[in-house]
Amino acid sequence: NAGVTQTPKFQVLKTGQSMTLQCAQDMNHEYMSWYRQDPGMGLRLIHYSVGAGITDQGEVPNGYNVSRSTTEDFPLRLLSAAPSQTSVYFCASSRIRADTQYFGPGTRLTVL
Amino acid sequence: EDQVTQSPEALRLQEGESSSLNCSYTVSGLRGLFWYRQDPGKGPEFLFTLYSAGEEKEKERLKATLTKKESFLHITAPKPEDSATYLCAVIGTASKLTFGTGTRLQVTL
Repeated sequence: NAGVTQTPKFQVLKTGQSMTLQCAQDMNHEYMSWYRQDPGMGLRLIHYSVGAGITDQGEVPNGYNVSRSTTEDFPLRLLSAAPSQTSVYFCASSRIRADTQYFGPGTRLTVL
Repeated sequence: EDQVTQSPEALRLQEGESSSLNCSYTVSGLRGLFWYRQDPGKGPEFLFTLYSAGEEKEKERLKATLTKKESFLHITAPKPEDSATYLCAVIGTASKLTFGTGTRLQVTL
């Protein structure tokens, strides 16, 4: 099992550009989520999904969009990048929402 | 609102010098407390899940314990490879995973 995979590992964007961060898992987990990690603030939930076709907002959803067309994939879209979105992004998955979550290796995003 | 506070923020130990990391929490209806290890530039790596007060779990030099208000991660005779940031998180009845900001551990020779 590869577990949770994320691409790209690093990305630099200019303000206003859009992009998609990819996340995939091969553990047949129903729950998937996106977090951002900023110094001194801990991991914060952006969006989550409890199954294919179902998504919901976390605590910091503004400026991000998600969809879940398959169990395996959960891409995160930045609609119009802003410097405040400079962060490290982690995707995670678990069997169900209240279960142990397993994290991907992360994407380090810089917005200039 | 669920809250997790970890202390200390940073800890420097010599190899073999045992110590404990603290995770204090407030949560409505604890459903699980999680410990993760995070190396620089990597994603959090799962260590333990604790479900109820009095529960303990061990893995190599690490032992996690849980009370109704806090959890401890005890590190016995640490080695330099134990250097990492250790994260604590809780899930309550709202099924929302809330993280602390972590303890940065450095173990020197």
